[in-house]
Amino acid sequence: AQSVTQPDIHITVSEGASLELRCNYSYGATPYLFWYVQSPGQGLQLLLKYFSGDTLVQGIKGFEAEFKRSQSSFNLRKPSVHWSDAAEYFCAVGGIGSARQLTFGSGTQLTVLP
Amino acid sequence: EPEVTQTPSHQVTQMGQEVILRCVPISNHLYFYWYRQILGQKVEFLVSFYNNEISEKSEIFDDQFSVERPDGSNFTLKIRSTKLEDSAMYFCASLKDTQYFGPGTRLTVL
Repeated sequence: AQSVTQPDIHITVSEGASLELRCNYSYGATPYLFWYVQSPGQGLQLLLKYFSGDTLVQGIKGFEAEFKRSQSSFNLRKPSVHWSDAAEYFCAVGGIGSARQLTFGSGTQLTVLP
Repeated sequence: EPEVTQTPSHQVTQMGQEVILRCVPISNHLYFYWYRQILGQKVEFLVSFYNNEISEKSEIFDDQFSVERPDGSNFTLKIRSTKLEDSAMYFCASLKDTQYFGPGTRLTVL
């Protein structure tokens, strides 16, 4: 069965600092990997996805993520965080065939200090 | 940009009552999904729907739940007899190459 672990429940960074959110997955084959962001009272917005090819993927809002098969990881990064990035971030894995269900991690809450 | 929409944004119901949550997927998408998120917990898959039938469902999606695409635009989730533990945020999603999520319906069962 597929699973996702986000080891950090809550991260606090100062505005302008760099950010890395960790995600580890368990899946028997090459997974489809996603990062979504959820602002309070909002739905889930797709930040970026990895299906195949280049292991460093660029997303919206200046985010990027790197797929490392050897570490079963798909960490999200941003070089300089903005106050508007404060939100909850979810990593998700999908099965072979992009139409398969997504399995989500438990999320990382990001707080940005001024 | 097209979006998935959901109504209502908040639904309050009494235990044992039936509720119908409505979603309008993005118009040229073919796969549709329901997920739920109990407060403070993970987003959990409930069901996927393609070509007018369920393609996958989780163990959460028992006989109390049903889905329907009653016309060319709506996609509904029905809970026949709500329980307290059904209180959650319910998200609809539709897929072209990636799943796009709606804003959610917060269901409160009293």
